[in-house]
Amino acid sequence: KAGVTQTPRYLIKTRGQQVTLSCSPISGHRSVSWYQQTPGQGLQFLFEYFSETQRNKGNFPGRFSGRQFSNSRSEMNVSTLELGDSALYLCASSKEVQGPGYTFGSGTRLTVV
Amino acid sequence: AQSVTQLGSHVSVSEGALVLLRCNYSSSVPPYLFWYVQYPNQGLQLLLKYTSAATLVKGINGFEAEFKKSETSFHLTKPSAHMSDAAEYFCAVSVAGGYQKVTFGTGTKLQVIP
Repeated sequence: KAGVTQTPRYLIKTRGQQVTLSCSPISGHRSVSWYQQTPGQGLQFLFEYFSETQRNKGNFPGRFSGRQFSNSRSEMNVSTLELGDSALYLCASSKEVQGPGYTFGSGTRLTVV
Repeated sequence: AQSVTQLGSHVSVSEGALVLLRCNYSSSVPPYLFWYVQYPNQGLQLLLKYTSAATLVKGINGFEAEFKKSETSFHLTKPSAHMSDAAEYFCAVSVAGGYQKVTFGTGTKLQVIP
């Protein structure tokens, strides 16, 4: 079966712009989580959605937002991009909230210049 | 609150040698524990998970891990390293039945020397 699909794979944006990343979970998975991965901070939890509702949120500023659609697809948005937002953004899906055990997508590599 | 500590950000082993990657966790309630592997420019792939069944868990690619409650550890092992095992490995913890996030360790990069 198809895995978790993240689009686009690579993205270059300018400071101050906004960006939207997309994630399509495995069919039947209703939970979608987002993580930011950087060399300095490692994997940091952004938020988790289940049945279109945000169930948990990490410690990121309000510039980071997300949503989930009725088909479980999810998007995350970052407004007013900063250089420090450059990272690999990973989406993970699971059947239930908090897994047990995520399936990750390949990520979107965002570079802010 | 839950946390994970991975000892050693870099580990080097010779091809054919034992692989041992260390993970200690902290959780106020019985945890779920996971090991993931990440290859360059890829997402994370689940190697194995502990969900309160057998304490010795076998995963993919010949890896296994043992849950030791008394030591709050969940170390990852493989009897014989292969060149293809070179990657970054992450230990993670969550708890059952709640909406708490999965917490990841800082990762251990495994180098396999031919």
